[in-house]
Amino acid sequence: KAGVTQTPRYLIKTRGQQVTLSCSPISGHRSVSWYQQTPGQGLQFLFEYFSETQRNKGNFPGRFSGRQFSNSRSEMNVSTLELGDSALYLCASSFRGPQPQHFGDGTRLSIL
Amino acid sequence: GNSVTQMEGPVTLSEEAFLTINCTYTATGYPSLFWYVQYPGEGLQLLLKATKADDKGSNKGFEATYRKETTSFHLEKGSVQVSDSAVYFCALSRGSQGNLIFGKGTKLSVKP
Repeated sequence: KAGVTQTPRYLIKTRGQQVTLSCSPISGHRSVSWYQQTPGQGLQFLFEYFSETQRNKGNFPGRFSGRQFSNSRSEMNVSTLELGDSALYLCASSFRGPQPQHFGDGTRLSIL
Repeated sequence: GNSVTQMEGPVTLSEEAFLTINCTYTATGYPSLFWYVQYPGEGLQLLLKATKADDKGSNKGFEATYRKETTSFHLEKGSVQVSDSAVYFCALSRGSQGNLIFGKGTKLSVKP
């Protein structure tokens, strides 16, 4: 059974640009959650999607947004990138509720 | 609010030593508790979980018991191996739609 797939694995952007990250959940999983991991703040919850609807949201500015498609694949978008957005972005999927979550290997975003 | 506090690392042990990583939590109600492990360059893997008081989660020689009276979920292993070197995260979630709230992580290094 294929795991959670995140693309791309690495990304370099400059301040002010926008970026889109992609996550393909485990087949049959309908819940997708996104987390930001930084050395200073640790792991922080961004948002969760279930059946194409945002079901839960963390405390991040509106520059961070996401969506989920009918096949449960999810994308996350960050607009007007700031240096502080440099982080590892992790996607996690689960069958229905958010637990237990299966994580992808993440997308490493670096802002220059 | 809900939070997780785990012991600061890094923790360095010799192979076959006993491991304890302390984790305490603050939460209203009855959260579910988890330990996740992150190997270099990878995402998080669920190590074990417990969903109610006095439950013991176990996997790959690791154990943790949900102690409601002390609001703790300490991770233990009787004999660590070099391959256990990783970062360990304690986490909680509340309710069926609760996102994961993580501790800061504890880096474990096991020397041969």
